[in-house]
Amino acid sequence: EAGVTQFPSHSVIEKGQTVTLRCDPISGHDNLYWYRRVMGKEIKFLLHFVKESKQDESGMPNNRFLAERTGGTYSTLKVQPAELEDSGVYFCASSQGHSYEQYFGPGTRLTVT
Amino acid sequence: AQSVTQPDIHITVSEGASLELRCNYSYGATPYLFWYVQSPGQGLQLLLKYFSGDTLVQGIKGFEAEFKRSQSSFNLRKPSVHWSDAAEYFCALFTDKLIFGTGTRLQVFP
Repeated sequence: EAGVTQFPSHSVIEKGQTVTLRCDPISGHDNLYWYRRVMGKEIKFLLHFVKESKQDESGMPNNRFLAERTGGTYSTLKVQPAELEDSGVYFCASSQGHSYEQYFGPGTRLTVT
Repeated sequence: AQSVTQPDIHITVSEGASLELRCNYSYGATPYLFWYVQSPGQGLQLLLKYFSGDTLVQGIKGFEAEFKRSQSSFNLRKPSVHWSDAAEYFCALFTDKLIFGTGTRLQVFP
């Protein structure tokens, strides 16, 4: 069974540009989470999908971030326009039903210059 | 407020030595606690979890953790560290999402 995958693994963009990160959860997992780790800080929750619906987006930093989950399968996280402080590692995780156990992808390292 | 504290940012041990990584949490209800490990270039891998029952939980790679409600702690231990254990370790609390500590980076000397 394939794990959680994320694309790209690394992205370097200039301030003001747009970047879209993609996450493919484990097949059959209804729950999909996005987290972010800014350098030197803790990993922080961004948002939670249950199927295609946003269950909790309380961690989204501002309206430059837009997350979608088409048809309850893969998810994208778009940053537009990117700012320097958006640099960090973006993790995606998925879980099944009411399970507390989340499986993480390898992360996307975003560098905004 | 719900929070997780990992007091040690960086720990260095010799290969073969014992290891204990500290984790304290703040939560008003029964905690669901996790330890994750991130090796260089890898994602987060679940080492072990505590939901209820036995307070000493066993995980993968020879790790164990002990839940102590009276101390609000969930420390990770390993009796003998291997060089391949060098990584960053994260303690996490599940509420309706995971709340992570800041991580402890483990360095292992031969």
